[in-house]
Amino acid sequence: AQSVAQPEDQVNVAEGNPLTVKCTYSVSGNPYLFWYVQYPNRGLQFLLKYITGDNLVKGSYGFEAEFNKSQTSFHLKKPSALVSDSALYFCAVYSGNTPLVFGKGTRLSVIA
Amino acid sequence: GAGVSQSPRYKVTKRGQDVALRCDPISGHVSLYWYRQALGQGPEFLTYFNYEAQQDKSGLPNDRFSAERPEGSISTLTIQRTEQRDSAMYRCASSRASGIPDTQYFGPGTRLTVL
Repeated sequence: AQSVAQPEDQVNVAEGNPLTVKCTYSVSGNPYLFWYVQYPNRGLQFLLKYITGDNLVKGSYGFEAEFNKSQTSFHLKKPSALVSDSALYFCAVYSGNTPLVFGKGTRLSVIA
Repeated sequence: GAGVSQSPRYKVTKRGQDVALRCDPISGHVSLYWYRQALGQGPEFLTYFNYEAQQDKSGLPNDRFSAERPEGSISTLTIQRTEQRDSAMYRCASSRASGIPDTQYFGPGTRLTVL
């Protein structure tokens, strides 16, 4: 069975500093990996995805993520955090014909 | 439409009542997905459709839950004889193509509270 782990419930970072939100996964075949962001009282918004090709994927709002097959990771990164980046972030994976599986989420708090 | 819409946004019901949650996907999107999200957790898959055909309902927790998409557009998730444990955020998503790994776009969700 496929699974996603987001080991940190909460990440705190100062505005202007780089941020990383961690994600590791487990699948039986080739992984397709996604990051979504959830702002209060709003739906999940798509940030970026890895399907194939370049391991570094660039997405919306200056976010990027690096696919690392040997470490089965897909960490979300941003060089310089903004207060407006504060939200709940979800990593998700699927492989083959199985449904999309989400992690439990990481709350990012960017402090001015 | 511009995005996925869901109605109602909030639903409070009494235990034992039936509820119907509606999802209107992005125009032209082939696939439609239903998820349930408990507080502090990520969304959990319930079921999905390609056009009007229900492809996978393995995530429906029991036979009180059902879904339909009769014309391949709007979908309804119905919960019969609601129980307090059904309280959650119910999210709908749609994607352009039927094959994975197309991106799923989510609606704002319906917050269901069963008293």
